[in-house]
Amino acid sequence: DIQMTQSPSSLSASVGDRVTITCRASQNIINYLNWYQQKPGRAPEVLIYGASSLQSGVPSRFSGSGSGTDFTLTISSLQPEDFATYYCQQSYSTPWTFGQGTKVEIK
Amino acid sequence: EVQLVESGGGLGQPGGSLRLSCAASGFTFRSYWMHWVRQAPGKGLVWVSRINPDGSSTNYADSVKGRFTISRDNANNTLYLQMNSLRTDDTAVYYCARRSSSQPPYYFDFWGQGALVTVSS
Repeated sequence: DIQMTQSPSSLSASVGDRVTITCRASQNIINYLNWYQQKPGRAPEVLIYGASSLQSGVPSRFSGSGSGTDFTLTISSLQPEDFATYYCQQSYSTPWTFGQGTKVEIK
Repeated sequence: EVQLVESGGGLGQPGGSLRLSCAASGFTFRSYWMHWVRQAPGKGLVWVSRINPDGSSTNYADSVKGRFTISRDNANNTLYLQMNSLRTDDTAVYYCARRSSSQPPYYFDFWGQGALVTVSS
């Protein structure tokens, strides 16, 4: 199975901050990397697919980059509604695997 | 509007069985791969199983293989997860999710609201 490792596990940030979350795959997954946001009590929602493609309806402050084994999710200017947990996920091979999550909290 | 609505969660006994359903609407259900993903309380997301559009191909996580069975009824736009030999570590919210239909890379483009399964004596 492909292991996905996110860092950090949590972070505290203020509204307006630039936030970066990284995700590393245990093997080359090309660009088969997706990012999801999950708020408490809610289902996850896709933000970025294919490492860098913004899902329709997602604000442009979210962006993704990377290829191979190293990927990044960036929020350019953190907004109050962005406080949530973020997960990376690979769809290169079955079983599809997720990172352990990054909780973004209010500083 | 795409909708996925899970039902059938609740309390199950260790060694017992439960069946989850996921009613789909707003899209051509028979054309999509469908998945189940679970999340234990306070934990992360874990992929459980998937099924191809006509139901002829399935895959499972090692943790549920031989105990859980995924199936679908395309005539009634419903996805199922039959869970047998339940264990306490199966306690989780179970989400059904639709796989995107475009070319790879694939992703989960729609999720249900989740169904809580609690396994306890």
